[in-house]
Amino acid sequence: DAGVIQSPRHEVTEMGQEVTLRCKPISGHDYLFWYRQTMMRGLELLIYFNNNVPIDDSGMPEDRFSAKMPNASFSTLKIQPSEPRDSAVYFCASSLGSSGVGNEQFFGPGTRLTVL
Amino acid sequence: KQEVTQIPAALSVPEGENLVLNCSFTDSAIYNLQWFRQDPGKGLTSLLLIQSSQREQTSGRLNASLDKSSGRSTLYIAASQPGDSATYLCAVRRGNDMRFGAGTRLTVKP
Repeated sequence: DAGVIQSPRHEVTEMGQEVTLRCKPISGHDYLFWYRQTMMRGLELLIYFNNNVPIDDSGMPEDRFSAKMPNASFSTLKIQPSEPRDSAVYFCASSLGSSGVGNEQFFGPGTRLTVL
Repeated sequence: KQEVTQIPAALSVPEGENLVLNCSFTDSAIYNLQWFRQDPGKGLTSLLLIQSSQREQTSGRLNASLDKSSGRSTLYIAASQPGDSATYLCAVRRGNDMRFGAGTRLTVKP
């Protein structure tokens, strides 16, 4: 398996524009997570899905952020409108199962977002 | 709320030294603890996963221990190499709530 795939790897946009980040989890994994990493706040969980259903979105910073998972092999994180403070690295991760043995999370390479 | 702390924030050692990175957490009711490595500008690579019922895990030159009752974990790196230079993060998990420490930035000098 190629691992978790994220696109684009880098995104530079202007304030007010819509940004869409994409993620393809590892095949067969039933959990998908979106994280944001900044110097100030470190790694934060934004939202996670189980079997394509959003389970906990309490980490989503505000209504400008939305995430979808239309099928088991694809998820998007959308920011509309984007703001400079959204600049960060966004990671997608997937895992098999929720707890117990075998629930190691595997991370994608991240998308570095810069909002000017 | 779970708080995860990593000490030290940065560490510089000469090649060949054995070293220990520390991770502490405030809520001992965890399912597992995971150590990651992150290279500059890169994603996270999982190094070791310790389930709550386990005390340690080993992989090559790496050994991670877990003392759940005291809320501590250590990552031991034997015979450090320049290629070990990276940021090391620990993360504790309960259900699907995963909390990360800020990381320890390790530099191994040739």
